[in-house]
Amino acid sequence: DVKVTQSSRYLVKRTGEKVFLECVQDMDHENMFWYRQDPGLGLRLIYFSYDVKMKEKGDIPEGYSVSREKKERFSLILESASTNQTSMYLCASSFQGYNEQFFGPGTRLTVL
Amino acid sequence: AQSVAQPEDQVNVAEGNPLTVKCTYSVSGNPYLFWYVQYPNRGLQFLLKYITGDNLVKGSYGFEAEFNKSQTSFHLKKPSALVSDSALYFCAVRGYNTDKLIFGTGTRLQVFP
Repeated sequence: DVKVTQSSRYLVKRTGEKVFLECVQDMDHENMFWYRQDPGLGLRLIYFSYDVKMKEKGDIPEGYSVSREKKERFSLILESASTNQTSMYLCASSFQGYNEQFFGPGTRLTVL
Repeated sequence: AQSVAQPEDQVNVAEGNPLTVKCTYSVSGNPYLFWYVQYPNRGLQFLLKYITGDNLVKGSYGFEAEFNKSQTSFHLKKPSALVSDSALYFCAVRGYNTDKLIFGTGTRLQVFP
């Protein structure tokens, strides 16, 4: 079974803190993705990585950065957390091509 | 531009009845379509996909989806709903010339005993 794991299920941070969300996959997938999920808005892509050290902005990259130093690991960084970044964050991975994405369990982040 | 629409925020159905969750799409080129399900406080689980071939696609947990090119639709169906099917369902389309997926806003399915 494909496993995508995320470092925390729940996280509470203060405004202005630097926040790291980590995602690890064990299926040697080339692609990795970070989404945020908000009620009524569905899933919105923050960043996409198609190879180590390669990244592409998604629909809502402002306020976020990413790092992919190893193939299995993709980190999402909130440089200075703000209350409007309170959300559910989902990581996913896939092989390149017409392939389904596999999702982690999600991290519910609350910024106070 | 690629897009996908789920016109219903919520669908209610009685257990044992057939269910349909609707999805329409707009694409450049051939459509590559996916359905996912999300149970409470969980990530998304892949149900099925249409890449090419038969218009009726069978997937996990007894679900199937019908691809209709003339109506640009990809509706999710199940002949007999279970209470345990109650969840949030997302339709997605692959972007043009990219591996990124574009997701709909989701439809909450509620199956009543």
